[in-house]
Amino acid sequence: NAGVTQTPKFQVLKTGQSMTLQCAQDMNHEYMSWYRQDPGMGLRLIHYSVGAGITDQGEVPNGYNVSRSTTEDFPLRLLSAAPSQTSVYFCASRRDYSYEQYFGPGTRLTVT
Amino acid sequence: GESVGLHLPTLSVQEGDNSIINCAYSNSASDYFIWYKQESGKGPQFIIDIRSNMDKRQGQRVTVLLNKTVKHLSLQIAATQPGDSAVYFCAENWGSQGNLIFGKGTKLSVKP
Repeated sequence: NAGVTQTPKFQVLKTGQSMTLQCAQDMNHEYMSWYRQDPGMGLRLIHYSVGAGITDQGEVPNGYNVSRSTTEDFPLRLLSAAPSQTSVYFCASRRDYSYEQYFGPGTRLTVT
Repeated sequence: GESVGLHLPTLSVQEGDNSIINCAYSNSASDYFIWYKQESGKGPQFIIDIRSNMDKRQGQRVTVLLNKTVKHLSLQIAATQPGDSAVYFCAENWGSQGNLIFGKGTKLSVKP
């Protein structure tokens, strides 16, 4: 299994641009989530999904959209990037009835 | 704000010594706690977890202790090795969907 994969690894955007961060998992996990990690801070939950067609907001959802059309994929969309969204983004997934989340390698995003 | 925090942001230990990383939590209703290790440039990796009905759990060279009275969690690493150098995060469960809230992390440096 590849586990949780994320693309791209690095991205630079200008303020106002849009983009989609891709996340896929091949473990047939129902639950998937997106976190952002800023220097000196822990991971903060942006959005999560408990299954295909179901998404919900986490701690810091503003400025981000998600959708879950398949069990495998959980893309994160930035509609109009802002410098405050400069961060490292991690996608994670887990099995039902388990709290242990498996993380992807991350996407480092810089917004200028 | 985050309910999970750490007493020490950095910890430096000699190779072969034992390491203790501490974590405080504020939500007495949390019933699951987990430690993750994050190496530079990588996503967090699961180390060990513990449920609130336990006081102690041991893994390979790692032990997690839970003191519910003072809402304190600690990770002990025996015979610390250079490969243990990383940032360590504690997390607790949050909400009814199995989400995790992370602390800010402790950076462990191992001196040869």
